[in-house]
Amino acid sequence: DTEVTQTPKHLVMGMTNKKSLKCEQHMGHRAMYWYKQKAKKPPELMFVYSYEKLSINESVPSRFSPECPNSSLLNLHLHALQPEDSALYLCASGRVGGQETQYFGPGTRLLVL
Amino acid sequence: AQSVTQLGSHVSVSEGALVLLRCNYSSSVPPYLFWYVQYPNQGLQLLLKYTTGATLVKGINGFEAEFKKSETSFHLTKPSAHMSDAAEYFCAVSENFNKFYFGSGTKLNVKP
Repeated sequence: DTEVTQTPKHLVMGMTNKKSLKCEQHMGHRAMYWYKQKAKKPPELMFVYSYEKLSINESVPSRFSPECPNSSLLNLHLHALQPEDSALYLCASGRVGGQETQYFGPGTRLLVL
Repeated sequence: AQSVTQLGSHVSVSEGALVLLRCNYSSSVPPYLFWYVQYPNQGLQLLLKYTTGATLVKGINGFEAEFKKSETSFHLTKPSAHMSDAAEYFCAVSENFNKFYFGSGTKLNVKP
């Protein structure tokens, strides 16, 4: 299994809702990532987990809450989002180490109303 | 500090023509360099990467890139463009941590 899966593919939520994005990989990767991508822009790193521990938080607002319950799963909990948070949210995984490839999932398209 | 510059936000070529997408980087240590492709409404797919060793790297779909340390460049080329190559291309640099720095991207248009 050489893919990263993400659910849901699309999500529409109101500013008072609570929702979660899910990411799963079965490649044995111990580094997992969340990125945010706005239209016509490169991905922006949000969080990095190494060995299920949060290692990088790129000063992301607390309305985004990551969770890594085990080595295969990564969640992103969303609460009280703003319309400007609408974007494509990409999950990636890879081996730990700067030279290692990051494998991306197809993303979740989020619209905040 | 690391950074990546992709010259040309849009590149247009005719089908069968040479594709050249430019990437320059800055890094205080020997870098690891990557090219990714993104098709509309999809995630990023690795085309190729340079870590150590041979400076000419071959990737998928007929793409290749050459690491030139003296020019701090890692340009992506393909001898003959195909319509299916139309997509957004991102260059990325990494050092010793699990953190990529992406360029701003180049949208490739292929004309019939």
